[in-house]
Amino acid sequence: QQPVQSPQAVILREGEDAVINCSSSKALYSVHWYRQKHGEAPVFLMILLKGGEQKGHEKISASFNEKKQQSSLYLTASQLSYSGTYFCGTGADSSYKLIFGSGTRLLVRP
Amino acid sequence: SQTIHQWPATLVQPVGSPLSLECTVEGTSNPNLYWYRQAAGRGLQLLFYSIGIDQISSEVPQNLSASRPQDRQFILSSKKLLLSDSGFYLCAWSGWTTEKLFFGSGTQLSVL
Repeated sequence: QQPVQSPQAVILREGEDAVINCSSSKALYSVHWYRQKHGEAPVFLMILLKGGEQKGHEKISASFNEKKQQSSLYLTASQLSYSGTYFCGTGADSSYKLIFGSGTRLLVRP
Repeated sequence: SQTIHQWPATLVQPVGSPLSLECTVEGTSNPNLYWYRQAAGRGLQLLFYSIGIDQISSEVPQNLSASRPQDRQFILSSKKLLLSDSGFYLCAWSGWTTEKLFFGSGTQLSVL
């Protein structure tokens, strides 16, 4: 039931782009994206709800393909501050119970 | 504004000892409350979630339990800790009008 994230890790140079994928074997109602810095709590990035919408947050955006049960997080013109572990959390219904993927570790180098 | 408090920040406990982690939310009423655990370098595992007092769902069978003695208070307990209970424990809340999770600062638990 845990969503699968890919890649597991990625290293970028500052200014490069990255895509992180999240796929589920179950029908999804919502997908959440969070970023966690080492030793800190995860911080909310965005929510995508059933309906195939795409959302943006500064230079970070995401899409949700309900039919394929997949979501992708797009990081454009990466900054050093983007480094951290990105988690997708999936909800099968509106109960607000999220199951998180194992995370994608992103390192942005100067 | 809403805030979430979680304590202690770090805890070192011997195997077989009891555990009590506390989490409180301020500035909102009737929040959904959650306990997650994160093993070193791993993802977030949902342990318990609660949509109200006396309404707690357990997601993973184990020697941990959760209680919600008040609307905005969520407690994670164990009678006897195991080595495998070590990890980073995160409390979180969400409201009824948004699914966004707000996490506490976490408790790093080491069972030795």
